[in-house]
Amino acid sequence: AQSVTQLDSHVSVSEGTPVLLRCNYSSSYSPSLFWYVQHPNKGLQLLLKYTSAATLVKGINGFEAEFKKSETSFHLTKPSAHMSDAAEYFCVVSSGSARQLTFGSGTQLTVLP
Amino acid sequence: GAGVSQSPSNKVTEKGKDVELRCDPISGHTALYWYRQSLGQGLEFLIYFQGNSAPDKSGLPSDRFSAERTGGSVSTLTIQRTQQEDSAVYLCASSPRLAGLTYEQYFGPGTRLTVT
Repeated sequence: AQSVTQLDSHVSVSEGTPVLLRCNYSSSYSPSLFWYVQHPNKGLQLLLKYTSAATLVKGINGFEAEFKKSETSFHLTKPSAHMSDAAEYFCVVSSGSARQLTFGSGTQLTVLP
Repeated sequence: GAGVSQSPSNKVTEKGKDVELRCDPISGHTALYWYRQSLGQGLEFLIYFQGNSAPDKSGLPSDRFSAERTGGSVSTLTIQRTQQEDSAVYLCASSPRLAGLTYEQYFGPGTRLTVT
């Protein structure tokens, strides 16, 4: 079985300040982990993925995430928020023989001017 | 290259009517998935197709929901006798999945279904 918990349903930051979106996962096998972003009225876009290579993963638009097995976490960070980062972010896990992705409930990121 | 496409982009139907939603995956992708995203909630897995294998239907919420994939490419999700709780965005994704590996999924823009 696998599951994902996104610890914050809403996060609000000021433009130019760091972003931290938290994600914890549960998996019976070595997981693959993803972060997807969904802008209003747009499709889901892959930000980055972890598939058992380097634990620090760099994605698009300056985002990165660190896989910490001891903490079962895969938090998403960005050093400096931009207004265009305002969107909903989903942490996703896929592991073992499971063929579908399991999505977290999402974190809505608001960027204040 | 072209991404995953879905049609229609919006569909409004009356309660009790049947609807068909279409998905065109990325060419060459062997795996195809359907998800449902209800207002204020995450994505809910519905069904999965992989090559010529029998589909994984474990996520379908009721027997009013069915899907097929013709020729290993285009897929149609059918909802019979629609109910108001079926209102959601239906997302299709495809993946170049190979045996023993998991690749990321590429999502279409979705079909917004409203049942009145």
